[in-house]
Amino acid sequence: GESVGLHLPTLSVQEGDNSIINCAYSNSASDYFIWYKQESGKGPQFIIDIRSNMDKRQGQRVTVLLNKTVKHLSLQIAATQPGDSAVYFCAENGEDDKIIFGKGTRLHILP
Amino acid sequence: KAGVTQTPRYLIKTRGQQVTLSCSPISGHRSVSWYQQTPGQGLQFLFEYFSETQRNKGNFPGRFSGRQFSNSRSEMNVSTLELGDSALYLCASSLEGMRYGYTFGSGTRLTVV
Repeated sequence: GESVGLHLPTLSVQEGDNSIINCAYSNSASDYFIWYKQESGKGPQFIIDIRSNMDKRQGQRVTVLLNKTVKHLSLQIAATQPGDSAVYFCAENGEDDKIIFGKGTRLHILP
Repeated sequence: KAGVTQTPRYLIKTRGQQVTLSCSPISGHRSVSWYQQTPGQGLQFLFEYFSETQRNKGNFPGRFSGRQFSNSRSEMNVSTLELGDSALYLCASSLEGMRYGYTFGSGTRLTVV
């Protein structure tokens, strides 16, 4: 069946360090993946996406890595800041192009 | 440009009642999707509308329904509310569908008592 999961429900990172949030997906037919950030009281906000014909994509302070062999996705945030505190979701295109979300990882920034 | 607007932001209803939630997509966006978010189940897909037609549907009972108007605004309705329907209901819009990126609204927090 379709499912997208994350390895850790909570991640604590020192301010200024790099954060790595991991995600495993099960649908080998998925060809489009997205990372979302959700702050308290808000809806998910698009961070970065990647298509299956790529292994890596970089944005501003964020990098997404895709390993199709092991069906693994990761989000790297450079120089983590207090404003990065949020829940991060990975998502994939499921059957009929529905977005399937993972459970989410809460990122805590330590001062 | 204005983002996705959901109304109301908060709602308290009693078991057995029905509720209607509204979503105004970004201007020009024709696809509107609805999601239910709960702590236990995370984000669950409800349905997607495109040009007034339901294009996709998730695994929710028939008590959950929706529609889309000619101006792309969408409503979802939940009849015979149950305690388990308490959740944050999120609406997302995009130009054509998920492959083109979704923009989410801030959601409607529904509490069923």
